[in-house]
Amino acid sequence: GAGVSQSPSNKVTEKGKDVELRCDPISGHTALYWYRQSLGQGLEFLIYFQGNSAPDKSGLPSDRFSAERTGGSVSTLTIQRTQQEDSAVYLCASSLSLGGGETQYFGPGTRLLVL
Amino acid sequence: AQTVTQSQPEMSVQEAETVTLSCTYDTSESNYYLFWYKQPPSRQMILVIRQEAYKQQNATENRFSVNFQKAAKSFSLKISDSQLGDTAMYFCAFMKHGRETSGSRLTFGEGTQLTVNP
Repeated sequence: GAGVSQSPSNKVTEKGKDVELRCDPISGHTALYWYRQSLGQGLEFLIYFQGNSAPDKSGLPSDRFSAERTGGSVSTLTIQRTQQEDSAVYLCASSLSLGGGETQYFGPGTRLLVL
Repeated sequence: AQTVTQSQPEMSVQEAETVTLSCTYDTSESNYYLFWYKQPPSRQMILVIRQEAYKQQNATENRFSVNFQKAAKSFSLKISDSQLGDTAMYFCAFMKHGRETSGSRLTFGEGTQLTVNP
């Protein structure tokens, strides 16, 4: 596709429910990143993938958060048993490769509201 | 760990004038990359300009230029001939060099909301 796409654009859920956020990177980009943007914490890094592998999961806020990437393309960020503090905009980005100062191209984000 | 600081939460400028957004950072790395991204109300983060720390020459992209002072760990963005479409949140970001575990993550500042007035 022309750019990074994310779905859904907005998601409202009830506390305790599970949610899945999807990211479609730019075709051919091997690296994929998830960030969270919230009022209290600003923009924070969550996890990155090189191919289908996520070598460093230390940025995930809790064990309720998980992410996977399949076929070196689409990635899913899953939040289990959502809490109100999970309300934020979740941004996905992709780059041609890992490291070397490669520019990260961002999607429009998914705004998550946990009631 | 790296930190990025943007000390101006909000700024405004008249159309066609010039404005400078400030950014300072703290790192023990000698080789790294610095970025300015803009985020309009549509939420889409868009790259404005990129600077490699080992290059002394300041990056320029049309109306956008940076003043990179490595010793002072300062990376300001100058927008010339401001346009209404420049209204957005601007984020300064840092990336370490290399492909090791944390090498490619971006560390962002708090952002500066820029408003261009007609």
